[in-house]
Amino acid sequence: DIQMTQSPSSLSASVGDRVTITCRASQSISSFLNWYQQKPGKAPKLLIYAASSLQSGVPSRFSGSGSGTDFTLTISSLQPEDFATYYCQQSYSPPRTFGQGTKVEIK
Amino acid sequence: QLQLQESGPGLVKPSETMSLTCTVSGGSISSSFYYWGWVRQPPGKGLEWIGSIYYRGSTFYNPSLQSRVTISVDTSKNQFSLNLTSVTAADTAVYFCASDYTTDVNYFDYWGQGTLVTVSS
Repeated sequence: DIQMTQSPSSLSASVGDRVTITCRASQSISSFLNWYQQKPGKAPKLLIYAASSLQSGVPSRFSGSGSGTDFTLTISSLQPEDFATYYCQQSYSPPRTFGQGTKVEIK
Repeated sequence: QLQLQESGPGLVKPSETMSLTCTVSGGSISSSFYYWGWVRQPPGKGLEWIGSIYYRGSTFYNPSLQSRVTISVDTSKNQFSLNLTSVTAADTAVYFCASDYTTDVNYFDYWGQGTLVTVSS
């Protein structure tokens, strides 16, 4: 199985901050990397697919980059509604695997 | 826009079989663009993919659960289902169904709200 490792596991940030979350795959996954946002008690929501493509309806302050084994999710200016847990997920080969999550909390 | 809704018992006894159904609306389960998947999340923990099915019946499962999992599809009802046998407390989780978009890229784009299944006697 391809292991996905996110860092940090949690972070504290203020509204307006630029936030960066990284995801590392245990082997090359090309650009088969997706990012999801999950709020408490809710289903995950797709933000970014294929490493850098913004899902329809997702604000442009979210962006993704990377290929191979190293990927980044960036929130350019953190908004109150962005406090949540973020997961990366590889779709290069089954089984589909997720990172352990990064919780973004209010400073 | 697709909508998915899970249904099934919220409490299952240890060693029994858990069964959940996902009803798809707003689109056809027979779409060539989609597999249909199950993902679970133990309380306070991360996400685990269980498996996915195509409308023609082809499936692929997480090897960690493969011996206990069966996913089936009923195109006449626009539904797909999950059976998990010999459950233990470790199977207690919120179970989500999701549309598994599969073309040259792959991602879960629509999700059900999730249903909590507790394994307890």
